[in-house]
Amino acid sequence: AQRVTQPEKLLSVFKGAPVELKCNYSYSGSPELFWYVQYSRQRLQLLLRHISRESIKGFTADLNKGETSFHLKKPFAQEEDSAMYYCALPSGTYKYIFGTGTRLKVLA
Amino acid sequence: DAGVIQSPRHEVTEMGQEVTLRCKPISGHDYLFWYRQTMMRGLELLIYFNNNVPIDDSGMPEDRFSAKMPNASFSTLKIQPSEPRDSAVYFCASSPRGNTIYFGEGSWLTVV
Repeated sequence: AQRVTQPEKLLSVFKGAPVELKCNYSYSGSPELFWYVQYSRQRLQLLLRHISRESIKGFTADLNKGETSFHLKKPFAQEEDSAMYYCALPSGTYKYIFGTGTRLKVLA
Repeated sequence: DAGVIQSPRHEVTEMGQEVTLRCKPISGHDYLFWYRQTMMRGLELLIYFNNNVPIDDSGMPEDRFSAKMPNASFSTLKIQPSEPRDSAVYFCASSPRGNTIYFGEGSWLTVV
């Protein structure tokens, strides 16, 4: 069965430190994975999708099929990065499974 | 486009009362999703529609929950009777024929 696992509920880092938000998936076939971000009391919005291979707000994510991971990384965290981050995986046609989310707190 | 529009933004109701959440998807989007967000479970898919037809409602917790989409521009999620454990943020989202989901701002429900 398709599944997305985000092992950390909360991740705290200091401003300027590197960030890695973990996401592991279970999927038969070639997955297309996404990261969504939710800033405080705002709607979820797409941060990036692996197929586009782009960097958004300094974040990148590489699909590692061997480790079945799609970790989100940023070399230098900023206070405005504090938010809830969700990894998502399509399951079937247009049905998306989200991980339980990781709350990132960037400390001054 | 104003994006996905949800109402009410906040609702506080007493246990046993009926709750109706409303959603207007982005025009032209064929898919509509209802998600529930809680601290313990994160974001859970409740039900989704394609061209106004419910496709998968396996995430609906129990018979107290029902969802309808009478036309392409409107959907409702109803809880009857409501219980305190239903307290959560309910998100509506829509998607065109593609892979990106656009979320509404959510309806914050508190059942006391």
